[in-house]
Amino acid sequence: AQSVTQLGSHVSVSEGALVLLRCNYSSSVPPYLFWYVQYPNQGLQLLLKYTSAATLVKGINGFEAEFKKSETSFHLTKPSAHMSDAAEYFCAVSGTGTASKLTFGTGTRLQVTL
Amino acid sequence: EAQVTQNPRYLITVTGKKLTVTCSQNMNHEYMSWYRQDPGLGLRQIYYSMNVEVTDKGDVPEGYKVSRKEKRNFPLILESPSPNQTSLYFCASSNTLAGPAYNEQFFGPGTRLTVL
Repeated sequence: AQSVTQLGSHVSVSEGALVLLRCNYSSSVPPYLFWYVQYPNQGLQLLLKYTSAATLVKGINGFEAEFKKSETSFHLTKPSAHMSDAAEYFCAVSGTGTASKLTFGTGTRLQVTL
Repeated sequence: EAQVTQNPRYLITVTGKKLTVTCSQNMNHEYMSWYRQDPGLGLRQIYYSMNVEVTDKGDVPEGYKVSRKEKRNFPLILESPSPNQTSLYFCASSNTLAGPAYNEQFFGPGTRLTVL
């Protein structure tokens, strides 16, 4: 069974600082990995996904994530935080079977301060 | 506009009173799913459907029912709601028979349910 662990339920950064949100996965097969963002009072929106094509994945709004098999990690980064990045971020994992489903982490709430 | 819609957005009800939360998508997606979101637990899958008349249990199906009579609709039914079903519910859809791993899941805006 697949699972993901997000380290840190709350992360606070200053505007302009580096954003680093951590995600480690557990999977018995090569996984597909996703980052979703949830803005207040909204549904989830896909930021980026890893499906084995390239280990460094670029997403929307300047976010990117790197798949590191040796570390079983898929951390999300952004070089310079904006106030508009304040939201909850979810890492998710899926296997490669035909009935694969997404298993979500518990989420990390990002706070951006002036 | 491509979207997943849910109704109602907010619902307060009492224990034991049957309710239905509707979900509809206009993208002709085969795959649809229901999740509940609780603080500290992330999103957990309740039920999913690979296509019309094909549904299966997710991780937390107890107390819920679903049906998929039409491709665009996937209602969530709580026949006898209890306070532990107070939660934020999301419907999602995806456009491939191969499952959500290969394509983005599109999420509805959520339904906040309170059971007193």
